Amino acid sequence: DAKTTQPPSMDCAEGRAANLPCNHSTISGNEYVYWYRQIHSQGPQYIIHGLKNNETNEMASLIITEDRKSSTLILPHATLRDTAVYYCIVRGLGSGNTPLVFGKGTRLSVIA
Amino acid sequence: DSGVTQTPKHLITATGQRVTLRCSPRSGDLSVYWYQQSLDQGLQFLIQYYNGEERAKGNILERFSAQQFPDLHSELNLSSLELGDSALYFCASSVAGSTGELFFGEGSRLTVL
Repeated sequence: DAKTTQPPSMDCAEGRAANLPCNHSTISGNEYVYWYRQIHSQGPQYIIHGLKNNETNEMASLIITEDRKSSTLILPHATLRDTAVYYCIVRGLGSGNTPLVFGKGTRLSVIA
Repeated sequence: DSGVTQTPKHLITATGQRVTLRCSPRSGDLSVYWYQQSLDQGLQFLIQYYNGEERAKGNILERFSAQQFPDLHSELNLSSLELGDSALYFCASSVAGSTGELFFGEGSRLTVL
């Protein structure tokens, strides 16, 4: 599975959009981009995933560049409860039994 | 609420002891995963089971073992505990064995004194 690079930390004002970048320049054609978050010591929570098209659900939007070498997770109206560590993970469609590998992620602080 | 239940939530024990952590997956999920998260460390994959059979193994110590029972609940056994085993242990489940969409429990916090 491709390696990902994320900034270690980011701040965002409450009510504003939080844009969390992820670089995955070695991603291959059958690899998906997954996003999870972990609110302080709670279990990680799945947010969204995509292959090449932009995706949106009730939690967030995922924008993947055309060359698929990077992506951005967008929380449209960040609240204090969105303060968490956000993990970007690349995983192959045909990974079979390969588990999700969590890196260090981005610590997002939403500020009132 | 992810639907994944882990017990106990907190556990304090002494070095050299043995503990068992239990996980009940979401209804209908066949696959169970165990992860370890030490203080200030990332989530480390330990082991995965699918419908009772071991599917993938990570950096799980030989002192640790796990199994998944016919009713699909899973147990993680940790023996000869050391101070460094103090961590949060998360269980996750998924419908299939190869999906990247996992549902995590709230974890079991183990403290070894």
